[in-house]
Amino acid sequence: DTGVSQNPRHKITKRGQNVTFRCDPISEHNRLYWYRQTLGQGPEFLTYFQNEAQLEKSRLLSDRFSAERPKGSFSTLEIQRTEQGDSAMYLCAVPGQGLYNEQFFGPGTRLTVL
Amino acid sequence: GQQLNQSPQSMFIQEGEDVSMNCTSSSIFNTWLWYKQEPGEGPVLLIALYKAGELTSNGRLTAQFGITRKDSFLNISASIPSDVGIYFCAGPNSGNTPLVFGKGTRLSVIA
Repeated sequence: DTGVSQNPRHKITKRGQNVTFRCDPISEHNRLYWYRQTLGQGPEFLTYFQNEAQLEKSRLLSDRFSAERPKGSFSTLEIQRTEQGDSAMYLCAVPGQGLYNEQFFGPGTRLTVL
Repeated sequence: GQQLNQSPQSMFIQEGEDVSMNCTSSSIFNTWLWYKQEPGEGPVLLIALYKAGELTSNGRLTAQFGITRKDSFLNISASIPSDVGIYFCAGPNSGNTPLVFGKGTRLSVIA
């Protein structure tokens, strides 16, 4: 148990629809990260939060993507007007307790866009 | 951007054999992390390395942080069927930046 839950675990949607994913860390963490993983690749960074503030976004995060962390605890990632290229595993991660940047991942949400 | 190169891409081994995989980078890393991912799940942290030259073990797993800080290797001794999965190296290039991952080494164990 990594202490991070993600919902839904699987989502199948039609192209053009909007989808929203949720990440719930069990304990408090200042930082929260979102990654995307496509088939045959390692996870790629999308964005991260320090408390409620979204501090960094990668170039992968197009304007159809928006992420929030309203109370500094759970986070949501929304994709508007989904495209087939959005099909991927979306992973949420939180840092460890130490001073180093180890991160612990949730089980992910597998998105399939038809 | 930064890239981590993992080799081999895939391995097929007999149960009981030892396994070695490595990860290299063109730039320096201050932390090296090794993860294992099974189908449909998120990556699970196996070993974290914080200091150049460091050798760390976790059960049958041993990992080393290269002296140049540009490489790391992971060894698995006496492999068992549950070792099957994809092994990723990862690290932040500095401070608290997000992680960069390699493309993984897919391990298959033949009983």
